[in-house]
Amino acid sequence: NAGVTQTPKFQVLKTGQSMTLQCAQDMNHEYMSWYRQDPGMGLRLIHYSVGAGITDQGEVPNGYNVSRSTTEDFPLRLLSAAPSQTSVYFCASSQPGLGVYEQFFGPGTRLTVL
Amino acid sequence: AQSVTQLGSHVSVSEGALVLLRCNYSSSVPPYLFWYVQYPNQGLQLLLKYTTGATLVKGINGFEAEFKKSETSFHLTKPSAHMSDAAEYFCAVSGITGGGNKLTFGTGTQLKVEL
Repeated sequence: NAGVTQTPKFQVLKTGQSMTLQCAQDMNHEYMSWYRQDPGMGLRLIHYSVGAGITDQGEVPNGYNVSRSTTEDFPLRLLSAAPSQTSVYFCASSQPGLGVYEQFFGPGTRLTVL
Repeated sequence: AQSVTQLGSHVSVSEGALVLLRCNYSSSVPPYLFWYVQYPNQGLQLLLKYTTGATLVKGINGFEAEFKKSETSFHLTKPSAHMSDAAEYFCAVSGITGGGNKLTFGTGTQLKVEL
């Protein structure tokens, strides 16, 4: 049971480039979320999904796209990277009805946009 | 709407001393409250959570927190700090409606433990 996995661990992009951050979970959780962590700001919700085919915006969705075609995977797409998107990105999953929405976090992806 | 305020971005204690990390919340619905810990270059790990029932919640590694509705607080304590407690701690709130995966985090408190 690997839990929540994220790839890559580190990434450097140039302004304007696109990329996809991968997130997968093997716990059959319905809920998945993406957060970004910036110094002094805690974690902020980017997008979330309550099941395959269902996604919604969080607090800071601009510049990011998501889709959820399977229960296991929840990729985060940066369409045109900007320096303001330099951050650490965390994916999380949870299952309603188990431990009151306790979220399990992946190890994070550290992204630098030059 | 929900929000979390963590007073003190940096807290320093001596090994063996009491740890007190402060968290105040605002929520328009009954809250679920969480404390997470983050060690350097790692993800977040759940320390403890409050849902309903007993207001004093015990977590892992000797930490506990008390939900005080009248004070809208959920402070984290540990009677005796250990060097291994040095980490960043986040308080978070989630409403019982609207999707339990929508956590709102505080800005974090960096705990330093000195000899």
